[in-house]
Amino acid sequence: DQQVKQNSPSLSVQEGRISILNCDYTNSMFDYFLWYKKYPAEGPTFLISISSIKDKNEDGRFTVFLNKSAKHLSLHIVPSQPGDSAVYFCAASANAGNMLTFGGGTRLMVKP
Amino acid sequence: KAGVTQTPRYLIKTRGQQVTLSCSPISGHRSVSWYQQTPGQGLQFLFEYFSETQRNKGNFPGRFSGRQFSNSRSEMNVSTLELGDSALYLCASSLQGANNEQFFGPGTRLTVL
Repeated sequence: DQQVKQNSPSLSVQEGRISILNCDYTNSMFDYFLWYKKYPAEGPTFLISISSIKDKNEDGRFTVFLNKSAKHLSLHIVPSQPGDSAVYFCAASANAGNMLTFGGGTRLMVKP
Repeated sequence: KAGVTQTPRYLIKTRGQQVTLSCSPISGHRSVSWYQQTPGQGLQFLFEYFSETQRNKGNFPGRFSGRQFSNSRSEMNVSTLELGDSALYLCASSLQGANNEQFFGPGTRLTVL
C-alpha cells in the first residue's frame, strides 16, 4: 500500500515556464513533508519542506503548497531552468520522526 | 562543511555472502538513517540510529542490520545476500530533534550476482 504517491512519472516543460509536480498521501499521521531532487548516481538533494501547520512555503524559485483536506501537496518551480532536469521525490514523515516515506518520483525535463 | 560520505561507492558480491557498508554523517549530525532504492520498490526506509541506538526500523528482514558508533558514524550489514538485495543503499544524516531535513550521501551501489 503506497502511502505517498506521485502519479506522474514524467513531466516536460519549456525553459522559463512553470513546473508543477504533484504528490498525494493517504496517512493522516504525516505532519511534515519534503521535496528532494535526484540526479543519476547521486543521493537525493533536499529542496524544500513544509510542516502541516502551514499551507505554503517559499524558497527562491521553489514553492510548496499543502492541502491537508485533500492530502495533496505540490511543488512549483518558477521559472524552470534546464538545470532543474532531474527526478523529484516527495517524502513525508510522522510525529516529528526521521523515518521518511517516499513517493515513486517524477522525472522533470526542462527543454531549452 | 563536508557532506555525508559513504564507502564503498560500488560493490559486487555473490549470493550467500555478507556485506558491510559505511556512512560518515555531516559533522554535528547525530541521526543516521539508511534507505534502499530499487527500480521496483523505489526508496524505502531501512532503519535510523541516534546516539548509538536504533530508533526506528522499516519493514525489512533480519538479514539487514546496522549500528552506530560514538562518533555517529554508522555501518549497515546485509547477511546471506540475495539477488533482490541489488540496490542503491543511501545513508542520510540529520540533526537531532523534530522535523529536521535529512541530507543524503551519494550511495553505495551493491550488485549481487
